[in-house]
Amino acid sequence: DAGVIQSPRHEVTEMGQEVTLRCKPISGHDYLFWYRQTMMRGLELLIYFNNNVPIDDSGMPEDRFSAKMPNASFSTLKIQPSEPRDSAVYFCASSLSSTTYEQYFGPGTRLTVT
Amino acid sequence: GQQVMQIPQYQHVQEGEDFTTYCNSSTTLSNIQWYKQRPGGHPVFLIQLVKSGEVKKQKRLTFQFGEAKKNSSLHITATQTTDVGTYFCAVSYNTDKLIFGTGTRLQVFP
Repeated sequence: DAGVIQSPRHEVTEMGQEVTLRCKPISGHDYLFWYRQTMMRGLELLIYFNNNVPIDDSGMPEDRFSAKMPNASFSTLKIQPSEPRDSAVYFCASSLSSTTYEQYFGPGTRLTVT
Repeated sequence: GQQVMQIPQYQHVQEGEDFTTYCNSSTTLSNIQWYKQRPGGHPVFLIQLVKSGEVKKQKRLTFQFGEAKKNSSLHITATQTTDVGTYFCAVSYNTDKLIFGTGTRLQVFP
């Protein structure tokens, strides 16, 4: 298996622009997680899905952030409009089951908003 | 909300020295996982602890879960330069989601 796939690996955009991050989880994994990592705030859980259904989005910063999982093999995290404080590394992770199982992280998307 | 503190925040050691990082919670944990993130990389799962007082070993790494299930430690014996990275604990409080600790960044000098 190729592991969790994320695209793009790097994204540089201007403030106010829409940004879409993509994730393909490991086949057969029921859970998908979106995390954000910054020096100041560490690794934060934004939202997670179980069987394509959003379960907990309490970590989503504000209405500018939205996430979807239209099918078991694809998820998106969208920021509209983007702001400089959104600059971070965004990780997608998938898990065979909940916290009982290990999470497999993708390589991340490094987002820079100027 | 729950706090998951890791200490120390940074640790610089000479190759061959031992290293320990501690993870502390104010609330009883359901289970705890440990991850390692190399510089520029992504978190990689190391191990999971579930039982009170549990001790697990992986070569030079020893993981321990406290008797009260509120703290855990990761100990590396005789560090090597390949051990460089940030070590995170990730805890669960009987929910589906993990809460990651603040991490301990380890630097090993040859």
